[in-house]
Amino acid sequence: NAGVTQTPKFRILKIGQSMTLQCAQDMNHNYMYWYRQDPGMGLKLIYYSVGAGITDKGEVPNGYNVSRSTTEDFPLRLELAAPSQTSVYFCASSPTGNTEAFFGQGTRLTVV
Amino acid sequence: RKEVEQDPGPFNVPEGATVAFNCTYSNSASQSFFWYRQDCRKEPKLLMSVYSSGNEDGRFTAQLNRASQYISLLIRDSKLSDSATYLCVVFNNDMRFGAGTRLTVKP
Repeated sequence: NAGVTQTPKFRILKIGQSMTLQCAQDMNHNYMYWYRQDPGMGLKLIYYSVGAGITDKGEVPNGYNVSRSTTEDFPLRLELAAPSQTSVYFCASSPTGNTEAFFGQGTRLTVV
Repeated sequence: RKEVEQDPGPFNVPEGATVAFNCTYSNSASQSFFWYRQDCRKEPKLLMSVYSSGNEDGRFTAQLNRASQYISLLIRDSKLSDSATYLCVVFNNDMRFGAGTRLTVKP
């Protein structure tokens, strides 16, 4: 079973470049989340979505954008990469929000 | 004040020890509560949900005190395999994580 799939697993970006982190789930979950995790720290919520066409900001949305055109996909866009965005990015999904969330394996992003 | 705060740790305990982690949350309207476990460089995985009546799963016991806005996790008879970071999670329209408490169980 695929679950939550994130691509790419690793990426090095130069300052000012743009990229999209992909996240797809095949469990028909309504809720999807994007988090970043800096070394030795907890997960900080970037954006979340409660269903197709609906997105909302989390704790640290600046420098990121999202869209949710389908139930399955929730891409995260970095427009102008900065060194402060060097982090591990996790995507997660859950059926109803207040139940278990399933995570992808993460994308390790370095901005140089 | 952070929405979810945890004991900073780290906790270093011998095998067989009992260890307790604490977590407080700031939003009294929070609806659901969880403990997740994260191994080094891996994604978090659900350890257990936390219910008002308290709940137990083998060596793990979780408690919730809504009046004090406090969640706890007790691990009895620690095993080497319990070494990980334990994350307190609170849901209220979105899902917020504490900073995590690192546990190392030593032989």
